[in-house]
Amino acid sequence: GQQLNQSPQSMFIQEGEDVSMNCTSSSIFNTWLWYKQDPGEGPVLLIALYKAGELTSNGRLTAQFGTTRKDSFLNISASIPSDVGIYFCAGQLASNYQLIWGAGTKLIIKP
Amino acid sequence: KAGVTQTPRYLIKTRGQQVTLSCSPISGHRSVSWYQQTPGQGLQFLFEYFSETQRNKGNFPGRFSGRQFSNSRSEMNVSTLELGDSALYLCASSSAPGTGNQETQYFGPGTRLLVL
Repeated sequence: GQQLNQSPQSMFIQEGEDVSMNCTSSSIFNTWLWYKQDPGEGPVLLIALYKAGELTSNGRLTAQFGTTRKDSFLNISASIPSDVGIYFCAGQLASNYQLIWGAGTKLIIKP
Repeated sequence: KAGVTQTPRYLIKTRGQQVTLSCSPISGHRSVSWYQQTPGQGLQFLFEYFSETQRNKGNFPGRFSGRQFSNSRSEMNVSTLELGDSALYLCASSSAPGTGNQETQYFGPGTRLLVL
């Protein structure tokens, strides 16, 4: 079946550093969604992207819908301790509108 | 607008028992999806309901079932619980499936199930 490859699986960063993560696939997508999940809670929507090439920001977060429609990127600038958590991407397949999920990127801030 | 609510938040059961979890979507949303999340794992899709009909189903055994009511509230049931069913069960609602930006899913806080 269709798969989303999300990388990296985990990241150890210093406070203040910029963070980048991405999701790639061989399939074409209509929509990309980025979520953050805190421990014991449900994922919270961060950014939604609906058009190829679209670049959208939400505070220190910026996400882009890849021009090939097969990938998406999320960047976090000047990370702070509350950025820790698991970030998930989800893409809606153009072929059948099914929503599929990446395995998540765990963000950990080094003390 | 109230968010997605799930009850109960925490549940402890023993092997062989059955359990029913409940989800109330955002007002006006008609699509409800259920996911299982085990520690360190991503979201495993269980099923999706829209207008009281199951629209999609993931690769889970028949012990996992669900339904949706006319008010869009949904329940999922797991029969003959196994130890491996211990997980966070998440419910997400969207206004309508397969319709572009209306597909955006909003999650509840989840029900954490522990099977002993």
